[in-house]
This record gives sequence, C-alpha cells and structure tokens, in this order.
Amino acid sequence: SQQGEEDPQALSIQEGENATMNCSYKTSINNLQWYRQNSGRGLVHLILIRSNEREKHSGRLRVTLDTSKKSSSLLITASRAADTASYFCATGGATNKLIFGTGTLLAVQP
Amino acid sequence: NAGVTQTPKFQVLKTGQSMTLQCAQDMNHNSMYWYRQDPGMGLRLIYYSASEGTTDKGEVPNGYNVSRLNKREFSLRLESAAPSQTSVYFCASSERVIGGYNEQFFGPGTRLTVL
Repeated sequence: SQQGEEDPQALSIQEGENATMNCSYKTSINNLQWYRQNSGRGLVHLILIRSNEREKHSGRLRVTLDTSKKSSSLLITASRAADTASYFCATGGATNKLIFGTGTLLAVQP
Repeated sequence: NAGVTQTPKFQVLKTGQSMTLQCAQDMNHNSMYWYRQDPGMGLRLIYYSASEGTTDKGEVPNGYNVSRLNKREFSLRLESAAPSQTSVYFCASSERVIGGYNEQFFGPGTRLTVL
C-alpha cells in the first residue's frame, strides 16, 4: 500500500506564482524525499529532509516536515513553465527502501 | 557517466510470453531496485537488491523474478506475462547509506504492454 498521499492530485498555476504540494504518510520515518518526474521520463531526486529537521531549502525549493502530523510540504517559488511535472514524496526508514506517494501533477502556464 | 540505463525502452508481449528487462548502473552503487508505475499511482517496489548477491521482495513481487548478475546489473524477468503487468518499469540504484538516508537514481523506464 502507498505510504504517502499527495495533495492536491493536480495543480495549475501561472508562471511566477508559488506552488505548494502536501504529503501525508502513515508510519515513522528516518527521512522524507521529494522527486520530480517529467512526462515520459524517470524520477529525479530534488531534496531530502531528515526526521529531526523541520525545514530545508534548495534554490527555489522549500520543504517542511512535521513529524507530529506525519506530513510534509514542498513549496516551489517563482514557478517557471519548466517546472511542469509530477512531484512525488517518498519516505525512507532504516532500510534502503523508499515508499512513494501517488504524486501531484503540476502544470505551470506561461 | 551514463547513470542508470534500461533496455528495451518499449516492448509489446502477448499473454504468456516471457521476457527480461535489463538494467545497468555505472555509479558503483550497492543497492538496486525495480519499480512499476501505473496510471495515477506512484511507484510500487517489485524487488530490490541491497547489495551484490542479495535480493528481496518488495510490495508487488508476484509474477516476477530478479537476478543481481553483478554489482552493475540487475535484471527483471516476467516468466509468463499477463495483461495486469502492463505498466512502465523503472530501475533505480543508490548508495547503501547507514540509516537509509540515500537518494535513488532512476533509469528512463521501459514501457511494457501485454496483450
């Protein structure tokens, strides 16, 4: 079964706006990761946040993690048309396995 | 570096046929994974190999077998394909980091249709 559930399932915004995606999960984790998938391509790692971290930044990306609510959010600021993709959260435990969520499809209109 | 490569890119099979999906990585990673992705769903783990010489079942292993041929290569075999195995298959690899703080690197995928 899926560990992560992303919300919303789909999001459409204008270029320059911010995009926020949320992820909820069920069990305890060591880390949570976000991946991007362009249409017809493999996934690309964006950012990893450890369970003892609350916020992390990477360029235009900002990730927050609330372990008490078992949730995370990904914020993309000043979005561009090239950000159009599906975004997945994935939770990691003590093993090297990841459990992926169902994804958010982001469309950025030029 | 090519990263993670997969062959073939596309494949059409008839029900009952067999085939092997090939995956290779040139990053000297210890761990390798096979996932399937179905429309509207995330990735589901089929099998993984934590290190050379070991393989373990994931969430959806039925109907599949794997071989970790060496550190670079990890193949996925469908012995008797079924329409329910129509999917996009992704191979991934990662370093084996203590505590599981590893990012995974993905191949481009194999789009498989079973008629």
